[in-house]
Amino acid sequence: NAGVTQTPKFRILKIGQSMTLQCTQDMNHNYMYWYRQDPGMGLKLIYYSVGAGITDKGEVPNGYNVSRSTTEDFPLRLELAAPSQTSVYFCASSMSTGFGNTIYFGEGSWLTVV
Amino acid sequence: EDQVTQSPEALRLQEGESSSLNCSYTVSGLRGLFWYRQDPGKGPEFLFTLYSAGEEKEKERLKATLTKKESFLHITAPKPEDSATYLCAVEGGGSRLTFGEGTQLTVNP
Repeated sequence: NAGVTQTPKFRILKIGQSMTLQCTQDMNHNYMYWYRQDPGMGLKLIYYSVGAGITDKGEVPNGYNVSRSTTEDFPLRLELAAPSQTSVYFCASSMSTGFGNTIYFGEGSWLTVV
Repeated sequence: EDQVTQSPEALRLQEGESSSLNCSYTVSGLRGLFWYRQDPGKGPEFLFTLYSAGEEKEKERLKATLTKKESFLHITAPKPEDSATYLCAVEGGGSRLTFGEGTQLTVNP
């Protein structure tokens, strides 16, 4: 009963380093998303994908990149990490964008940039 | 631009003290309004989807209602295990969710 799985759970990066947050889902969902959540703030959409090979920017894409080579996987790449990227990152997935597009979330990845 | 405002930001209740959380929204072409529960250190957990004004859904002590401008999450006789942050989100014509900042609920025994 895995659902959406994210790794790593916690990571500390130095300014300027790069890293990839991994995300995989086993529900055969076509849509996948990356959100960030800052303390006391709502979830902000970084990037999303409507299917393998197709990605698009969300509200806050700067400093991030994504790829979607398979239905199951949607990694998020942070290039040249900055303190402003310290946040909790959530990967999510949903079946389609019909009415009531219920999104299911992973457990989150806590990232600190120092 | 879709907007979601949740109130109050924080709510403290005694066990058994019923109350309501509010979610006000503006959206072009509502496709769905969603309620999620988020526990500390966890991802949001789906609770309800409401599609049209007048719709209601219930789950245990929770009941969600929807009008054309707002949604309420009613909590009846809450227990300490209901303590969490409750998030509201809307899906509009852009087919992407816009989230509110959440209401942090604490239920004291």
